[in-house]
Order: sequence, then structure tokens, then C-alpha cells
Amino acid sequence: AQSVTQLDSQVPVFEEAPVELRCNYSSSVSVYLFWYVQYPNQGLQLLLKYLSGSTLVESINGFEAEFNKSQTSFHLRKPSVHISDTAEYFCAVSDTGFQKLVFGTGTRLLVSP
Amino acid sequence: SAVISQKPSRDICQRGTSLTIQCQVDSQVTMMFWYRQQPGQSLTLIATANQGSEATYESGFVIDKFPISRPNLTFSTLTVSNMSPEDSSIYLCSVAPRFEQFFGPGTRLTVL
Repeated sequence: AQSVTQLDSQVPVFEEAPVELRCNYSSSVSVYLFWYVQYPNQGLQLLLKYLSGSTLVESINGFEAEFNKSQTSFHLRKPSVHISDTAEYFCAVSDTGFQKLVFGTGTRLLVSP
Repeated sequence: SAVISQKPSRDICQRGTSLTIQCQVDSQVTMMFWYRQQPGQSLTLIATANQGSEATYESGFVIDKFPISRPNLTFSTLTVSNMSPEDSSIYLCSVAPRFEQFFGPGTRLTVL
């Protein structure tokens, strides 16, 4: 069965600093990878996804993630964070298409001035 | 995209009672999913609900504890039965109509 590891439970950063949230998954023949974001007191929203093709995927708000098959990783990065990026970020994987998702334990990103 | 609503948004219940959570989607979907998010933890899939058939439960979840109904292609219910404080969680339903899984706002359940 698939599993997802998010190594950092909490990542504090200062505004405008770069950030990387790490995600590793257990190996599989083919996987689909997702990052979801949960802002305080809000529901889960899809941030970005890797389905196939280019290993670098981007979101509309400046985040990007790179699929690395040899390292079974899908780390999330942003070159300059804003206060509004403060949220919980969940990495998820599916090896059955877009149906059953296995989530990591989440990383809380805390951006301070 | 898909817009999902859940009722109730939150509830406080006494142990030993049951609560039924409703999930409504604004479009027809084949499968609906129920997840649990325990305090400070990640999401765990409870079951997958197909219209017209029995729900498929994940390891650690059983139908007697979490009965699910799926009467049509836009609606599903999850019942949390004989509740204990350990059932205090956020329960979310989701759908994946096309290359993306959408989540409802969740039902925050507190069991005293």
C-alpha cells in the first residue's frame, strides 16, 4: 500500500524568504501526486498536481513542485513566501488515478513578518 | 469543478448516540469518498461509496460503525454510530469527477 511521509510537521519562515516543504512517497510503478492546502478554518484546496509529462509543476500563486522518481519525492517550493501562505500543506499520492488518495501527516507553514 | 456541501457543519454529541452526516454535490458523480481528519492529524479514507452498491471500506473501518448510504448520483450520507470521544474528528466527503479530487467543507464532530 502507498504511504506518504512529510518530514516536517512545522516550518517557520520569515516573509519573503524561500521555503521547501518535503514529501516522500513509497515506490510504485506509476503514481499521481498532489499538494493540498488548508487555510485556517477553511476546507482543503488543491494547490497543484503531477499526473504525467513535465516533472516540474506550478501553481497560480507561485508554488512549484518537482516530481523526482529516483528519490520518490515531490517537494513543494516557493522562492518568496507571503504572510497569506500561512496554512497546513498536505502531500497526497494515488496509484489508482484520481480516486483513492493517501495523505501525508501535513506540514504547518508559519510565515511571520 | 464540483461544489460540495455538508450538513451539519458541526455538532456536539453524547457518547453512545449516532450522527448522520449529509453530503450533496452539484453534479452527478460515480464515486463519493468519506474521509476522517482526527485532531492534529492527516486525512484517512474511511470508505468509497458507489451509487447502487455497498460501500467499500478501508482497513480499520467497518459498516456497523460507519454505515453509508448512496441513494443517487449527487448525494450520500455517513452515519457515525455508537459514538465515543475517539470519534471526535472532522469528517469530509469528496468527489473526483475529472482529474481532481474536490472536498467538502467538513463536519466537525465533538463527542462528549
